[in-house]
Amino acid sequence: ETGVTQSPTHLIKTRGQQVTLRCSSQSGHNTVSWYQQALGQGPQFIFQYYREEENGRGNFPPRFSGLQFPNYSSELNVNALELDDSALYLCASSSQVVTEAFFGQGTRLTVV
Amino acid sequence: KNQVEQSPQSLIILEGKNCTLQCNYTVSPFSNLRWYKQDTGRGPVSLTIMTFSENTKSNGRYTATLDADTKQSSLHITASQLSDSASYICVVSRNSGGYQKVTFGTGTKLQVIP
Repeated sequence: ETGVTQSPTHLIKTRGQQVTLRCSSQSGHNTVSWYQQALGQGPQFIFQYYREEENGRGNFPPRFSGLQFPNYSSELNVNALELDDSALYLCASSSQVVTEAFFGQGTRLTVV
Repeated sequence: KNQVEQSPQSLIILEGKNCTLQCNYTVSPFSNLRWYKQDTGRGPVSLTIMTFSENTKSNGRYTATLDADTKQSSLHITASQLSDSASYICVVSRNSGGYQKVTFGTGTKLQVIP
């Protein structure tokens, strides 16, 4: 186990709805990155949070937003869900921006 | 363009046999390269991490090599086991604006059969 936990593990939502995914980082880690992994594809970087501030963003629209809390846990929010948002969402934490990242088990989101 | 390409896309081998997975990258400036093992529907688990100056690194039956000049890496699995069946992902990091940006390969799906 990596010490990174994500919730929920599975989720089904309807197109147009909003969803919040959660990630608890490993103890001592202050950086959290979020990834979207479509079936059969490699993970795609969404954004990274370092000490509660966004520290980089991939090619995802503004309806993908996030938060990092003082305890370094994080949320990923997706508004106006689309069918193509169906994917495994992975959270990774690290002790600082340049060290190895440890992944959670992921949240499987299905949009119908 | 920063890219990571892996080959083969998929591979089936007999239990006990060895195999080698390949990773070619164009990511620059290079910071480090990692190999992850990902079971279906689960998060990736780190196998090795290599920096520019490291040519080879082992983790049990897994041995990774890195040639920073040709921008190639390989992951060699020795005496494969059924539990090695998974996707193996090569991830290359570069430094940008004070933090690391990572580029994932699409992975090699390995199936070990009895």
